[in-house]
Amino acid sequence: DAGVTQSPTHLIKTRGQQVTLRCSPKSGHDTVSWYQQALGQGPQFIFQYYEEEERQRGNFPDRFSGHQFPNYSSELNVNALLLGDSALYLCASSSTGISYEQYFGPGTRLTVT
Amino acid sequence: EDQVTQSPEALRLQEGESSSLNCSYTVSGLRGLFWYRQDPGKGPEFLFTLYSAGEEKEKERLKATLTKKESFLHITAPKPEDSATYLCAVQARGGSQGNLIFGKGTKLSVKP
Repeated sequence: DAGVTQSPTHLIKTRGQQVTLRCSPKSGHDTVSWYQQALGQGPQFIFQYYEEEERQRGNFPDRFSGHQFPNYSSELNVNALLLGDSALYLCASSSTGISYEQYFGPGTRLTVT
Repeated sequence: EDQVTQSPEALRLQEGESSSLNCSYTVSGLRGLFWYRQDPGKGPEFLFTLYSAGEEKEKERLKATLTKKESFLHITAPKPEDSATYLCAVQARGGSQGNLIFGKGTKLSVKP
């Protein structure tokens, strides 16, 4: 049973560029949440997708956007990258209506120079 | 404002030396409290979910407990492989199934 997968593993971008991160949820899960984790901090909620729509959003600017596909996989897009966007980006999947537990992928380490 | 505070920030133990990690929370109605283990550079690994005060869960050397204001993660006779950062998160009632609010974590080091 495949767990949550994310790609790429690492990414280096320049300020002002745009980036797309990808996530495939655990088998049987239909909901994807994205988190940003800065070094030495706990993960911070960016947004959640269910039925291909953004269901809930944390305190992040509009530069952060996302998408969910019919197969439940998801993308996180960040425009106009800032140095402060450097972090570990985590995807978590869950099953709406079944359990509140979220299972995380290995993350994508984004470095903005 | 919903908030999670974990203590201590770091904990160094000798192998076999039992101890507890604390997670204090303030939330407008608790839906669930979650414990995760995170190794350096990796994603958090799910450990436990607790839903109501008085509930306890166990897994190998770990035991999680919950009161109305805090949760404890007890580690009995730890081994070096238990070294990791342990994260606590809460989910509030009223919202959708999202938005886990995390603490900063406790970094545990177990020396042989």
